Order: sequence, then C-alpha cells, then structure tokens
Amino acid sequence: DGGITQSPKYLFRKEGQNVTLSCEQNLNHDAMYWYRQDPGQGLRLIYYSQIVNDFQKGDIAEGYSVSREKKESFPLTVTSAQKNPTAFYLCASSLDRGRQPQHFGDGTRLSIL
Amino acid sequence: GDSVTQMEGPVTLSEEAFLTINCTYTATGYPSLFWYVQYPGEGLQLLLKATKADDKGSNKGFEATYRKETTSFHLEKGSVQVSDSAVYFCALSDTGGGADGLTFGKGTHLIIQP
Repeated sequence: DGGITQSPKYLFRKEGQNVTLSCEQNLNHDAMYWYRQDPGQGLRLIYYSQIVNDFQKGDIAEGYSVSREKKESFPLTVTSAQKNPTAFYLCASSLDRGRQPQHFGDGTRLSIL
Repeated sequence: GDSVTQMEGPVTLSEEAFLTINCTYTATGYPSLFWYVQYPGEGLQLLLKATKADDKGSNKGFEATYRKETTSFHLEKGSVQVSDSAVYFCALSDTGGGADGLTFGKGTHLIIQP
C-alpha cells in the first residue's frame, strides 16, 4: 500500500543535541511538507519542498533544517538552535503544491530529556 | 494573509446527536477547502473537500458546503457515534499566491459520550 512512513514514533533529545526525523513516501508525490503541532495551536508549516533538491522555509523554519536528495525522502533535523522543540511533528506529501489535499504520516513525538 | 477560524473545543455530545463544527476563512485567492480528522496518536486523514463555491463535500456521513458569500465551510453530521470522537481540522489551500502548504484552523476536539 502507498503511504507516508515517519520514524521514529517517539524521540528524545538532550540539550544541545541535533536530532533527525525521517519521512519516506512511496506515493510518487512531488511535494513534501513538515508541520509542527502544539496543543491548541493547530498545525504550523516548518518547511516544504516541491521537487528534488529544492525546498523553502515555511512559517516557523528557525532552528530546523531539511534536505531533499531523493523524491521519496524529506528528513527534518531539529537543531540545538530550536529552543522549544517539544512537539508532535507531521510529515505530509501531495501530488503537487496548491490545490491538492495532503496525505499525512502518523507523526513523531519529540521530547526533551 | 490566509487564516482559518474554528469553534473552540472540546465539544461534547451524546451518541446520535446532531453535530455542527463551524469554520470560517479568509483568503487572498480562491481557495480549496478541506476537513481533516485526527485520531489519538495518529496523523491527519482527509475527511472531505470542496474546490469551488456551492460544492458539497461528503464522506462517512459528514458533510460541508463551500459558502463563498459567508466564507464558511461548516462540518455537519446528522447522528454522531462514539467512534467519531477525534480532533477535526478545517484547512484551506490557496491558489492566489499565498503561503504554500495548507493553512489550518486550531482544531476542534469532539467527544461523543455513549
């Protein structure tokens, strides 16, 4: 079955440490997205990518980095510069940007030790 | 910029009650509108969508009509079940040169009691 796989499901970060969240899709979608979800805040866009080797900052990109070396993969690194990283992170993909609905992974919950 | 406003939750109903979750939006272009549902510990699933004025999206007994004159996309269901308990997000995708990705409301937590 086609879909989006995020791993790990739970992740813990120590102070000053960078961590990378994995997102893989086999839907042959061009566009991929990372969102952050906080209680009572809805979802906020961190980064998005429309094609391989191209990505753009979203609304809250500070303290995060991404890469898009393959169409299927869009990993997110939460750097030590992100002072409040505890959140639920959701990866999504769509056939293209704009009007297409997005398909979501099951998320990664990141916590600080 | 684009924005989506949903009614605050939690919304608590008894089984078989009628459900309405209000959603209004502002957008620079002519958006597509969506409702997503999130069950505990999971990602979001697309529930229904509408791409132009007066379109009605429907799925699993839920309905929402794209009302351009009132900039609204209210979610309704005639008889809710315990299994409908979840968080519901209204969202828009703007083709008018706004921010890429979806713009989400803050979500409405729905609790259905047996």
